Amino acid sequence: AQTVTQSQPEMSVQEAETVTLSCTYDTSESDYYLFWYKQPPSRQMILVIRQEAYKQQNATENRFSVNFQKAAKSFSLKISDSQLGDAAMYFCAYRSWFLAGSRLTFGEGTQLTVNP
Amino acid sequence: EPEVTQTPSHQVTQMGQEVILRCVPISNHLYFYWYRQILGQKVEFLVSFYNNEISEKSEIFDDQFSVERPDGSNFTLKIRSTKLEDSAMYFCASSESGQRGGYTFGSGTRLTVV
Repeated sequence: AQTVTQSQPEMSVQEAETVTLSCTYDTSESDYYLFWYKQPPSRQMILVIRQEAYKQQNATENRFSVNFQKAAKSFSLKISDSQLGDAAMYFCAYRSWFLAGSRLTFGEGTQLTVNP
Repeated sequence: EPEVTQTPSHQVTQMGQEVILRCVPISNHLYFYWYRQILGQKVEFLVSFYNNEISEKSEIFDDQFSVERPDGSNFTLKIRSTKLEDSAMYFCASSESGQRGGYTFGSGTRLTVV
């Protein structure tokens, strides 16, 4: 079974600065998806960014980028130019490539605080 | 942008009562899911549903839970006899194709069992 670990329960960053959230995972599969989801106080789950494991290039979405290290099974999220609206809980998640309709496996989450 | 709609947003029920949580997935999506999140904890998979049957379920999804797609648009989660530990946020999600990346989540139903 796959596992996802987020070792930073809380992180803080100054507005306009850069922060990196860590995620590691364990799997025996060679192809899979990795995701970062944002959960603001409203508790809605919002997809931030996704990475296909077969792609060597790191995904980017505006101020959000990932550092995907497949051999190390590491998938960190970098938020540049942090904004107050980035304050939220961030979850890393894994999904199998091979199994149609497969579940998302989530990490424990990292609570990000953005200080003005 | 298409949305997954969940109702109600908050439900309070007495222990032992049955509850039905409702979801309207995105219309052209084929896979439907329920997840739950106990306050302060991580999001946990409950069940996935495809072609009018359960395709996968977790160990959490025991006999007190059931899912149904009663018509062409709704997807429901029923909890037959609620327990205090069922208090959680329940998320519905859907995906267009089971092998194409992430899902779209609904905004959740907060279930409080008293």
